Amino acid sequence: GAGVSQTPSNKVTEKGKYVELRCDPISGHTALYWYRQSLGQGPEFLIYFQGTGAADDSGLPNDRFFAVRPEGSVSTLKIQRTERGDSAVYLCASSPGGRSTGELFFGEGSRLTVL
Amino acid sequence: SQQGEEDPQALSIQEGENATMNCSYKTSINNLQWYRQNSGRGLVHLILIRSNEREKHSGRLRVTLDTSKKSSSLLITASRAADTASYFCATEVTGTASKLTFGTGTRLQVTL
Repeated sequence: GAGVSQTPSNKVTEKGKYVELRCDPISGHTALYWYRQSLGQGPEFLIYFQGTGAADDSGLPNDRFFAVRPEGSVSTLKIQRTERGDSAVYLCASSPGGRSTGELFFGEGSRLTVL
Repeated sequence: SQQGEEDPQALSIQEGENATMNCSYKTSINNLQWYRQNSGRGLVHLILIRSNEREKHSGRLRVTLDTSKKSSSLLITASRAADTASYFCATEVTGTASKLTFGTGTRLQVTL
């Protein structure tokens, strides 16, 4: 498929555990975004990559959250010492990049449940 | 934080009627986009309108932008049951290039 792929689609974990969520963007897209969406709310910006570097990580809620994109393609969102409040759908999006934000292409999301 | 707020939060109409959703935002923008989300799925881009544009059309969609009032509207004409979804506006705030900030969404229900 040519779309944005996110794995796992569902993840259930216990409070205090470590979680990794993976995003495989559309081939050739240099910009990659992570958003978090709670039930009944709009997506909340977490971090934006242009290539391998995090151009804007102002949305990461605290130092338990970290994201990488080492080769400028696949990205991993890492959450340490998970808390029940981290439960949400984590959305990844990509775009061709450029000076202005055009259309974002979203994946289906990873639903994280922290028990 | 949410930059935009959609109004109404929920809208229920019958098939064939028009649906209008409004979005208000707080700060100067480069562009405003509308997205659609089916329950439990990812978001799909519908239309983008730049800050120097006032109106755009795409199929049954019509979007307007009033930068003086910091508001936008999305009109879906001749609605269909398949239009049932949540609709979000998203803004690229001036000075924050390449980051979209989403609103709270309007849940549209189209009944037969």
